[in-house]
Amino acid sequence: GESVGLHLPTLSVQEGDNSIINCAYSNSASDYFIWYKQESGKGPQFIIDIRSNMDKRQGQRVTVLLNKTVKHLSLQIAATQPGDSAVYFCAEIPNSSGGSYIPTFGRGTSLIVHP
Amino acid sequence: GAVVSQHPSWVICKSGTSVKIECRSLDFQATTMFWYRQFPKQSLMLMATSNEGSKATYEQGVEKDKFLINHASLTLSTLTVTSAHPEDSSFYICSASSPPVRGYHEQYFGPGTRLTVT
Repeated sequence: GESVGLHLPTLSVQEGDNSIINCAYSNSASDYFIWYKQESGKGPQFIIDIRSNMDKRQGQRVTVLLNKTVKHLSLQIAATQPGDSAVYFCAEIPNSSGGSYIPTFGRGTSLIVHP
Repeated sequence: GAVVSQHPSWVICKSGTSVKIECRSLDFQATTMFWYRQFPKQSLMLMATSNEGSKATYEQGVEKDKFLINHASLTLSTLTVTSAHPEDSSFYICSASSPPVRGYHEQYFGPGTRLTVT
């Protein structure tokens, strides 16, 4: 995954635009991938997940794309709103058959939505 | 459902004192609880994993004698920062793990505790 400890990259968008947040992961054997949203001063909140046997999954205004060939995950937010401003983290869940299910968090991206 | 609370939400303490942070799963029994630390504008760093009734498993580089974790019940875990120093100032977040729903043990995060050591 992304290096932990470095400052967050930032994505600035205008309200109403679509946002794309990217994440590179490290473990090709991971079973699940999750996107979390963390607002300032709060804990992470689950947004959407995708299993490793899928390429795309859609939720309400959000779409997650998984490219296993290049170990890349993206989160697309349609019609971004000021309330979407937050830090977004991807996390990968190891293959459950290995016994460990502790997610590994990516570096995170700070999304700033300008009204 | 699946609400996790933390108490306190913020605390200021003097260097050398100890601080206890509580993490509770309010509406479910958590098989496992996790403690994370997060510095400003950085990712979550896992400190330790705790299962009810057993010793916590600490990540490499985390001092178990400094960060005491007690997991006395399926709904409560506590993290005690002993002999706190200014470098321990951080945002501490717990999460509680539920039985598999989507195929993995989903984690529900608490709101975090802001610790400032002066």
